[in-house]
Amino acid sequence: EVQLVESGGGLVQPGGSLRLSCAASGFTFSDYAMNWVRQAPGKGLEWVSISGSGGSTFYADSVKGRFTISRDNYKNTLYLQMNSLRADDTAVYYCAKWVGATGYLDYWGQGTLVTVSS
Amino acid sequence: EIVLTQSPGTLSLSPGERATLSCRASQSVSSTFLAWYQQKPGQAPRLLIYSTSSRATGIPDRFSGSGSGTDFTLTISGLEPEDFAVYYCQQYGGSPLYTFGQGTKLEIK
Repeated sequence: EVQLVESGGGLVQPGGSLRLSCAASGFTFSDYAMNWVRQAPGKGLEWVSISGSGGSTFYADSVKGRFTISRDNYKNTLYLQMNSLRADDTAVYYCAKWVGATGYLDYWGQGTLVTVSS
Repeated sequence: EIVLTQSPGTLSLSPGERATLSCRASQSVSSTFLAWYQQKPGQAPRLLIYSTSSRATGIPDRFSGSGSGTDFTLTISGLEPEDFAVYYCQQYGGSPLYTFGQGTKLEIK
């Protein structure tokens, strides 16, 4: 059974940093690209970043230069290092497994809440 | 940037009725790269439909997808109580890599 478990969320002041983790199990983690998708309170879904199985990374313009996605294929864990956090980064952050060329996201974690506030 | 616009914003229907949700893209989207998700309060999104019309594993056949180019539709025939939720369309492959529609809330009338 595929499981994705996010952790690391919490309250942080504007300008601060936070690192999110997503522990994966039930599939060969190294074979799949993984994404972070966020959802601000009461709002829709926003794609944040992807880590390809081959090491490539891409970011939404809203987080480029501030967030860094990485992965440890030995620990089956995806990370999101978030720096220079702003109030509009407040959201639930989900990790999601990418299926392949068609791009859909077939499994999602339960999410971790990041609140940026003074 | 490809913008996805979903309509209506809110759809009020009764159990047993048929729901038709629309997703319109600002430019043509390959049908291969269009998906639909369902999200219930406090839960993560769940994949319903991929490649415009293929049902994900375990999704009942009352859910169906169709469309091409810039106009896509999710149809739910014979609404069940558990179907009342928010639905998002999503495209892959543009810039940014993924975009989502703003969502349609399906509520009980």
